[in-house]
Amino acid sequence: AQSVTQPDIHITVSEGASLELRCNYSYGATPYLFWYVQSPGQGLQLLLKYFSGDTLVQGIKGFEAEFKRSQSSFNLRKPSVHWSDAAEYFCAVAPRDSNYQLIWGAGTKLIIKP
Amino acid sequence: ETGVTQTPRHLVMGMTNKKSLKCEQHLGHNAMYWYKQSAKKPLELMFVYSLEERVENNSVPSRFSPECPNSSHLFLHLHTLQPEDSALYLCASSQDRPSGANVLTFGAGSRLTVL
Repeated sequence: AQSVTQPDIHITVSEGASLELRCNYSYGATPYLFWYVQSPGQGLQLLLKYFSGDTLVQGIKGFEAEFKRSQSSFNLRKPSVHWSDAAEYFCAVAPRDSNYQLIWGAGTKLIIKP
Repeated sequence: ETGVTQTPRHLVMGMTNKKSLKCEQHLGHNAMYWYKQSAKKPLELMFVYSLEERVENNSVPSRFSPECPNSSHLFLHLHTLQPEDSALYLCASSQDRPSGANVLTFGAGSRLTVL
């Protein structure tokens, strides 16, 4: 069955430090790939997406993600985190040949140390 | 108002009550979705509407009943719920008809507690 794995339930990072959140998926063909962020008490907001082309994609709020086909991964990165980045981050994939069913990871909660 | 608005933000109901969740999108989008978000679990798609027509019902129990009277409004009617239905219910919309490439715009959610 298709699945998305975010191996880290929580990650704690010091303010100003770099960040990498991991996402792996199991699916034969390259799917559409997304990262969403959910700040406390809010809905999810799209950070970035990968459909095709350059495998390094830029998103909002200084985030980027790199698609690695050989590793079936789409890891999210930020060079220097800010306290306002504390939130939960969700990776999602959608098969290209199918419908609108997004397959979601369980999320990674980012905690920022002052 | 802009974006996707959900009301109420919090709801507590007994197992025999009937209540409704409301979602309104001000974006001119053509598709609307209901998701269930439970702690430590992936989001679960419940219902999808495209131009007011239901296109997906993901084996959701009949105690959840959706209604989409027009392309801007979506309701989730709740009756005889179970405690395990306690969760955050998220409404989302997309500009295009449902497809895997859709970017979703989410509301802030309705936190439901079933006693």
